[in-house]
Amino acid sequence: ETGVTQTPRHLVMGMTNKKSLKCEQHLGHNAMYWYKQSAKKPLELMFVYNFKEQTENNSVPSRFSPECPNSSHLFLHLHTLQPEDSALYLCASSQRAPGGEAPLHFGNGTRLTVT
Amino acid sequence: GQNIDQPTEMTATEGAIVQINCTYQTSGFNGLFWYQQHAGEAPTFLSYNVLDGLEEKGRFSSFLSRSKGYSYLLLKELQMKDSASYLCAFNDYKLSFGAGTTVTVRA
Repeated sequence: ETGVTQTPRHLVMGMTNKKSLKCEQHLGHNAMYWYKQSAKKPLELMFVYNFKEQTENNSVPSRFSPECPNSSHLFLHLHTLQPEDSALYLCASSQRAPGGEAPLHFGNGTRLTVT
Repeated sequence: GQNIDQPTEMTATEGAIVQINCTYQTSGFNGLFWYQQHAGEAPTFLSYNVLDGLEEKGRFSSFLSRSKGYSYLLLKELQMKDSASYLCAFNDYKLSFGAGTTVTVRA
């Protein structure tokens, strides 16, 4: 139990499908993040939300659309993905946005395969 | 993440010591983190260094030299459960991660 829950754990989708990833944190944190983790590559920051406001969009293609309705929930809406988007998508939360010593708490991730 | 370097893989024997080095380049620095990630699981926080020197937490220690842009994670008395990927990340206004070092502990 990590305190950050992601669903689904695994997702296979075609390039024309629309799907959503869900993340929920039970830690009372104010910042939430989406990261992409590909094999043998560094974690890539995608989006940051601080107090429900998006504070970072790391040049992510528009086929990825985040949504943060409140400080505890974060979604990543997917549409018209490409096979190279196949990766592990990790959600994380922290007490506040980076700039201090607050560590990130990660969920177990969604393993996405685009066919 | 391109300005963080750490070795790709390391192998060690149970009971031994392993040191994972991490070098980074940044114009702004506000601390360095180490995370552990077992296969198929979430990364978990191990340590945080913001001042130069050694921080010890049980079998794990982390060292930082800001002037050299260098850190290491020291794992002592290795156990089989320590087999995992270890991620170095520095903090400027956002966390930038290295690609991780996969440590394999052999009996």
